[in-house]
Amino acid sequence: KAGVTQTPRYLIKTRGQQVTLSCSPISGHRSVSWYQQTPGQGLQFLFEYFSETQRNKGNFPGRFSGRQFSNSRSEMNVSTLELGDSALYLCASSYMDRAETEAFFGQGTRLTVV
Amino acid sequence: AQKVTQAQTEISVVEKEDVTLDCVYETRDTTYYLFWYKQPPSGELVFLIRRNSFDEQNEISGRYSWNFQKSTSSFNFTITASQVVDSAVYFCALSEVFYNNNDMRFGAGTRLTVKP
Repeated sequence: KAGVTQTPRYLIKTRGQQVTLSCSPISGHRSVSWYQQTPGQGLQFLFEYFSETQRNKGNFPGRFSGRQFSNSRSEMNVSTLELGDSALYLCASSYMDRAETEAFFGQGTRLTVV
Repeated sequence: AQKVTQAQTEISVVEKEDVTLDCVYETRDTTYYLFWYKQPPSGELVFLIRRNSFDEQNEISGRYSWNFQKSTSSFNFTITASQVVDSAVYFCALSEVFYNNNDMRFGAGTRLTVKP
């Protein structure tokens, strides 16, 4: 069974640009969550999608957005990039959206903003 | 609000030593789930265990064991006879059922280094 796939693995962008990251969940999983990991703030929840609907959102500015497609694949977008957006962005997929569901993580996309 | 504290930032042990990683949590929910994840240098978080708030039985899986104590709001993780391959960052996480979501709140992580 294929795991969670995130593309691209590495990305370098310039301040002010926008970026789109992609996540393909495990087949059959309908929930996709996104996390930002930085040395200073640790792992922080961005948002969660279930069946194409955003179910929950973390405390991030509106520059961070996402969506989920009918095949459960998800994308997150960050507009007007700032240096502080440099981070490892992790995607996790789950079979259901309930709190007790085990989440499987991808290897992440490392975004560097220069 | 939900909160997870991993007070140990870094731990270094020599191979074959036992090591315990501490996790203390705060929650206002009566039903919740606790998790441990391992993050090797490759980056992905690897699921180790899930425990619900009604199940305080300790669990052992090979060299890994977990001690859940609701009375002290702790969910500690012990690695017995550590190996170099155990070197990684370990995260404890909490999900509250009341909110019925996957908003797992992670601790800051403990970086474990096992030296040969």
